[in-house]
Amino acid sequence: EVQLVESGGGLAQPGSSLRLRCAASGFSFDDYAMHWVRQAPGRGLEWVAGISWSGNTVGYVDSVKGRFTISRDSAKNSLFLQMDSLRAEDTAFYYCAKDGVGWSNWFDRWGQGTLVTVSS
Amino acid sequence: EVVMTQSPVTLSVSPGETATLSCRASQSVSTDLAWYQQKPGQSPRLLFHGASTRATGTPPRFSASGSGTEFTLTIASLQSEDFAVYYCQQYMIWPFITFGQGTRLEIK
Repeated sequence: EVQLVESGGGLAQPGSSLRLRCAASGFSFDDYAMHWVRQAPGRGLEWVAGISWSGNTVGYVDSVKGRFTISRDSAKNSLFLQMDSLRAEDTAFYYCAKDGVGWSNWFDRWGQGTLVTVSS
Repeated sequence: EVVMTQSPVTLSVSPGETATLSCRASQSVSTDLAWYQQKPGQSPRLLFHGASTRATGTPPRFSASGSGTEFTLTIASLQSEDFAVYYCQQYMIWPFITFGQGTRLEIK
């Protein structure tokens, strides 16, 4: 069974950093691109970042470029999101999502989410 | 950026009836469109990809169609578990992946 378990969320001050982790199991992690999608409380979904199965190609939504870094560790079957220079508007649930077919950019499995709150 | 616009924002339908949800893209996305269902307190769940390809576990009362800029999600014989928020998502151009704002399907 595919499982995606996010961790690392919490309360952060504006300008500070957090590192999210997504522990993946139940599928061949190296064969799939992976993504982060966020959802501000009571709001809609926003794709944040994605990474190819090899880790060689990454992409970001404009609002986080230069501040967030997506990475993956195949030895640990884990996906990461390094979040620097956090802003209040980054407050959201952050979901780890598995790509549907290799690298298709639709998401067939989602984690339960981890809440990031940016506030002083 | 491809802007995805869903309508209506809220749809009130009685159980047993049919709900029709729309999603419009600001430019053609061919059939690079997915639909998701999200219930309160839960993560989104994939319903369709490729505009009309049913994901594993999507009940047959759900159907999806469209191409280019106009897409439709239809839910026939609505059941209580179908009342949720539905999102469309285009994925035509990497890394410009965008979602619609969602349609809340509520019980009438």
